[in-house]
Amino acid sequence: DAKTTQPPSMDCAEGRAANLPCNHSTISGNEYVYWYRQIHSQGPQYIIHGLKNNETNEMASLIITEDRKSSTLILPHATLRDTAVYYCIVRVGSTSYGKLTFGQGTILTVHP
Amino acid sequence: NAGVTQTPKFQVLKTGQSMTLQCAQDMNHNSMYWYRQDPGMGLRLIYYSASEGTTDKGEVPNGYNVSRLNKREFSLRLESAAPSQTSVYFCASRSGVPDTQYFGPGTRLTVL
Repeated sequence: DAKTTQPPSMDCAEGRAANLPCNHSTISGNEYVYWYRQIHSQGPQYIIHGLKNNETNEMASLIITEDRKSSTLILPHATLRDTAVYYCIVRVGSTSYGKLTFGQGTILTVHP
Repeated sequence: NAGVTQTPKFQVLKTGQSMTLQCAQDMNHNSMYWYRQDPGMGLRLIYYSASEGTTDKGEVPNGYNVSRLNKREFSLRLESAAPSQTSVYFCASRSGVPDTQYFGPGTRLTVL
């Protein structure tokens, strides 16, 4: 699985958009970009994933660059409850193994 | 629909004691996983089970055993606990469509 690089921490004002970047320059053609988050003391929670097209769901949007070497997770209107560690994970999708490799992630702090 | 449940929530053991961490999911998923998370670090895979009746080692299997009792339940056993096994343990199950993992609330284990 490709390695990812994320900033260790970011701040965001409540109500503003939070844009979390992720670099994955060694990504292969069959690897997906996944985002999970972990709110303090809880189990990780799936947010969104994509292959090459931009994706949107009720939680967030995922923008993947055309060369697929980087991506951005966007939380359109951040709330205090979005304060968490955000993990960008790159892996081959739908394999029987399905292993997720968690790095250090980005600590997002949303402040009033 | 409870999702993924884990018992116990907290446990303190003495070095050399044994215990079993229980995990169950009610989403009819085939694949299940055990991760550990040490302070300030991402999750690391201990063991996984791609389907009922099969188990395989992950990144850090030493000191652990697992049992996939049936499709719902996947247990993790520490035969002789060591202080290095002090950690938070998360169980997860995997949905095929979309390909995501659902995590339990975790078991916080301290080995003295």
